[in-house]
Amino acid sequence: NAGVTQTPKFQVLKTGQSMTLQCAQDMNHEYMSWYRQDPGMGLRLIHYSVGAGITDQGEVPNGYNVSRSTTEDFPLRLLSAAPSQTSVYFCASSRDPPYNEQFFGPGTRLTVL
Amino acid sequence: TQLLEQSPQFLSIQEGENLTVYCNSSSVFSSLQWYRQEPGEGPVLLVTVVTGGEVKKLKRLTFQFGDARKDSSLHITAAQPGDTGLYLCAGADAGTEKDNRKLIWGLGTSLAVNP
Repeated sequence: NAGVTQTPKFQVLKTGQSMTLQCAQDMNHEYMSWYRQDPGMGLRLIHYSVGAGITDQGEVPNGYNVSRSTTEDFPLRLLSAAPSQTSVYFCASSRDPPYNEQFFGPGTRLTVL
Repeated sequence: TQLLEQSPQFLSIQEGENLTVYCNSSSVFSSLQWYRQEPGEGPVLLVTVVTGGEVKKLKRLTFQFGDARKDSSLHITAAQPGDTGLYLCAGADAGTEKDNRKLIWGLGTSLAVNP
C-alpha cells in the first residue's frame, strides 16, 4: 500500500494564480482531511470529508475548495492564491470515529509570491 | 475554544537522558493521540489513549492519559538521536460524533537528541 500520496511536493505560485493540490489514499478510508501547518499556529483543519460526495468546512476554509467524487481522491483547490496561503499542506485519511486516527501524506510546501 | 497546551515547546538533550513532555487542557477528551513528525514529512501516529489513567508503552516510550481525560504525558527513556522530531498531541472532542471528526491539536514539542 502506498498510503496517502500528495502531489506536488513543492509549488511556487504568484498572487492570484489558482492551482489544485492532489491527494489520494489506497486504504479505503472514508474520512479524509486537509490541514495546513504554519510555525506557531500548528496544524489547522481546512476542509474534511466523511465520504464520497460529502464535504464540510474546518477551521480555516476561506480561499479553498474541495470535492470528493471518489473514496480515494480528495483534491484541494486554491481559487486565487494569496501570500497568506504560503504554508505546508497535509492531506490525511482516517478509518472511522470515534478515534479519528490520522494517516498523513508527505505534504506539499506552497509558496505564494 | 478548546486548546491543547504542550510543554516544553523545545527540548534539547543528550543521548541516553530521560525526558517527559506534557499535553494539557481544561477540556475533556474522548481519546488522545500522540504523533511524531520528522522534518519534511507528515506526522506519524504513535499511540491512541482512550481510558482515564491508561498507560501504554511503545518500546522506550511511555504514554499516560490523565484520570480526568484532560491531559497526557509522553516519557522517553534513554533517548536516542532517532527520537528527534516534533511530538504532537491531538484530542478527540468528547461531544457529538461530528465533533469527534475534528481533532484539537497541540502546537508540539520539538525534541533534539544529540549524540
